[in-house]
Amino acid sequence: NAGVTQTPKFQVLKTGQSMTLQCAQDMNHNSMYWYRQDPGMGLRLIYYSASEGTTDKGEVPNGYNVSRLNKREFSLRLESAAPSQTSVYFCASSLTGNYGYTFGSGTRLTVV
Amino acid sequence: KNEVEQSPQNLTAQEGEFITINCSYSVGISALHWLQQHPGGGIVSLFMLSSGKKKHGRLIATINIQEKHSSLHITASHPRDSAVYICAGPNFGNEKLTFGTGTRLTIIP
Repeated sequence: NAGVTQTPKFQVLKTGQSMTLQCAQDMNHNSMYWYRQDPGMGLRLIYYSASEGTTDKGEVPNGYNVSRLNKREFSLRLESAAPSQTSVYFCASSLTGNYGYTFGSGTRLTVV
Repeated sequence: KNEVEQSPQNLTAQEGEFITINCSYSVGISALHWLQQHPGGGIVSLFMLSSGKKKHGRLIATINIQEKHSSLHITASHPRDSAVYICAGPNFGNEKLTFGTGTRLTIIP
């Protein structure tokens, strides 16, 4: 099915471990985004990529890095996980920022 | 930075009732998004609108650009409409969305 595929769905990390969240879309969208969702707060933008080869910081980029590997794939890396990064992470894509968004199913990350 | 406020935060209603969720934003925008987050966590885009009204099934979204206000209406509500409804608008001058904290809707049979 067409859409945004996000892996893994669940992950538990120890403080200081690293991991990469993978995201791929098959809709030929130009823009891709990583958000985190915490209780009582709206979705917050971590990083986004308006086109292949470009990335920009969002509202909460500290502690994260991203790679826009090609037009389809946009990964999010935590180099040294911290408990404050416990959250639900969503990847999304859009033809451009002025069109509707398609979201992945989310990754529930717990850092202990 | 665009601030997005939603009301109410929580809404419980009986099946069949007409539902209204409101969204206000602080700066001019080109379009506003309405999203639905299911109890299982998945997020679905419902509407993106820049003027007037859009309708999809029992859902209707309206926007008043001058008043910086949008509403989402659900007619003949059903328990399967129970979800969190989120509005979002782009920060002025770029495509980054600012999200409201959501309205948790519960429809009781």
